[in-house]
Amino acid sequence: NAGVMQNPRHLVRRRGQEARLRCSPMKGHSHVYWYRQLPEEGLKFMVYLQKENIIDESGMPKERFSAEFPKEGPSILRIQQVVRGDSAAYFCASSPGAGTYNEQFFGPGTRLTVL
Amino acid sequence: TQLLEQSPQFLSIQEGENLTVYCNSSSVFSSLQWYRQEPGEGPVLLVTVVTGGEVKKLKRLTFQFGDARKDSSLHITAAQPGDTGLYLCAGARFGNEKLTFGTGTRLTIIP
Repeated sequence: NAGVMQNPRHLVRRRGQEARLRCSPMKGHSHVYWYRQLPEEGLKFMVYLQKENIIDESGMPKERFSAEFPKEGPSILRIQQVVRGDSAAYFCASSPGAGTYNEQFFGPGTRLTVL
Repeated sequence: TQLLEQSPQFLSIQEGENLTVYCNSSSVFSSLQWYRQEPGEGPVLLVTVVTGGEVKKLKRLTFQFGDARKDSSLHITAAQPGDTGLYLCAGARFGNEKLTFGTGTRLTIIP
């Protein structure tokens, strides 16, 4: 049973380019969460999605960041016009949904470096 | 404002010793999870506690959820070098799916 998969594992972008991060949840999981871990800081919630719906995006910057979880395919976190401050590790987590005490299982992360 | 404070922030002990890591908050959580994260990897779920006063054991690791559901502790008996890593607590609040992570405890076990 494969765990949460993220790709790419490492991504290098120049300032002003776009970054696309992909996340495939565990089999049977319908809830996806994105977190960001800045260097020497803790994990911070960004957005929570279910299939075709954004449930909570309170942790996501209003500009340049967007997320989707389509009916088919992986969840995508998109960062437009990246800046150096976007350099961080981005983690995706998934959970089965209601009644599971919110246990979230994390992927290996995508490390974004903005030059 | 950090909702979950972990202590100590850093801990370095000899193999075979016992240790306790604390996770404290002024907020009430519906559940609390402990993760271990190694460099370059994502957090790995160790345990979830959901009932005030609950104690769960996982081999040499003992997890406790405070009676008031505001704090938790992780106790490791006879620490081994393989226990080295960053330990994170994370709480979920009632009616809210997102996890709030603690500040982390970086544990090093010296052989």
